[in-house]
Amino acid sequence: NAGVTQTPKFRVLKTGQSMTLLCAQDMNHEYMYWYRQDPGMGLRLIHYSVGEGTTAKGEVPDGYNVSRLKKQNFLLGLESAAPSQTSVYFCASSSGDSPSRYYTFGSGTRLTVV
Amino acid sequence: DAKTTQPPSMDCAEGRAANLPCNHSTISGNEYVYWYRQIHSQGPQYIIHGLKNNETNEMASLIITEDRKSSTLILPHATLRDTAVYYCIVRPRGNDYKLSFGAGTTVTVRA
Repeated sequence: NAGVTQTPKFRVLKTGQSMTLLCAQDMNHEYMYWYRQDPGMGLRLIHYSVGEGTTAKGEVPDGYNVSRLKKQNFLLGLESAAPSQTSVYFCASSSGDSPSRYYTFGSGTRLTVV
Repeated sequence: DAKTTQPPSMDCAEGRAANLPCNHSTISGNEYVYWYRQIHSQGPQYIIHGLKNNETNEMASLIITEDRKSSTLILPHATLRDTAVYYCIVRPRGNDYKLSFGAGTTVTVRA
């Protein structure tokens, strides 16, 4: 059982380049999330999805787009990367059938924009 | 949303119990208390959660005060591998599924 898998694990981008981060989960979870974590700080929610075909903005959505075309995948896109988007990106998923559900996180994608 | 307050850091001796406090004085009756931890450079890991009763699992125990305004996470026999940032989180009410992470408590277990 792989849980939540993020690809790639590391990436260096030049300012203005675009890229897509992939998150895949094999737990049949309804809900998926993208967070970013800057050095010495807690996690901040970028976007989330409560089911296939749905997306919603989180705390820091600017500069990012997301898609949830398949239940098991949640994609995070950067259309024109900026140095301020240098961060570690974490994907998470959770089940929606319990009031006490908890999140399962991936191992992160370390992105540097130069 | 209910806010949480945690000490920024604490040390613990290996083999001893680590008691991590969390204040959540504005918690609502239907909100759960969650604890996660993040070991350096890894994704956060779920530890335990509770509503109003004390809870125990293979990783830790959670003690919630009767008025639910504070809680304590107990790591019964801390090891060096328990060195991490520990987050106390109160799940938002209603159908808001988002978890909000604060700064947490940096726990350092020393040999």
